[in-house]
Amino acid sequence: DTEVTQTPKHLVMGMTNKKSLKCEQHMGHRAMYWYKQKAKKPPELMFVYSYEKLSINESVPSRFSPECPNSSLLNLHLHALQPEDSALYLCASSRKTRSSYNEQFFGPGTRLTVL
Amino acid sequence: QKEVEQDPGPLSVPEGAIVSLNCTYSNSAFQYFMWYRQYSRKGPELLMYTYSSGNKEDGRFTAQVDKSSKYISLFIRDSQPSDSATYLCAMSPFTGGGNKLTFGTGTQLKVEL
Repeated sequence: DTEVTQTPKHLVMGMTNKKSLKCEQHMGHRAMYWYKQKAKKPPELMFVYSYEKLSINESVPSRFSPECPNSSLLNLHLHALQPEDSALYLCASSRKTRSSYNEQFFGPGTRLTVL
Repeated sequence: QKEVEQDPGPLSVPEGAIVSLNCTYSNSAFQYFMWYRQYSRKGPELLMYTYSSGNKEDGRFTAQVDKSSKYISLFIRDSQPSDSATYLCAMSPFTGGGNKLTFGTGTQLKVEL
């Protein structure tokens, strides 16, 4: 199994809703990432988890709350979002070793629309 | 000035052409260089991963890194309509995983029949 899966594929939510995005990988990777991508822009890093601990938070607003319940799963909890948060949310994973080859593999993304 | 510069295109070529995609960067600490392909409304797919200067070939794809010029390239031989996508370069000073990648803005490529 060499893929990163994400659910749901699409999500529409109101500004008062609470929802969660889910990401799963079974490649034994110990680093997992959340990115946000707007149309015609590159992915922007939001959070990095290393060995299930949050290691990088790119000053993301608190309405986005990440969680890494175990080494295969990564969640992003959403609450009180704004319309400008509408984007493609991408999960990625990579090995975390001293090897030179720790490339990041991306999932298909969740397309989020905030009304 | 952005750390990584990439021409956004769009770049339109006929089927069978050789495509050259390029990125320049300013941070001399970058050592690990990647090319991703992203189809519309899909996640990025890793195409090539190289360390330091030199060439790497994989099928129709060749990645080149020239650290002295801070310039990286991706060549696509015998381009196909299925190669039509956005190509993102990405780079990092570190290995070890769990590190931030710096992306170019992406080049939109269209290969026409």
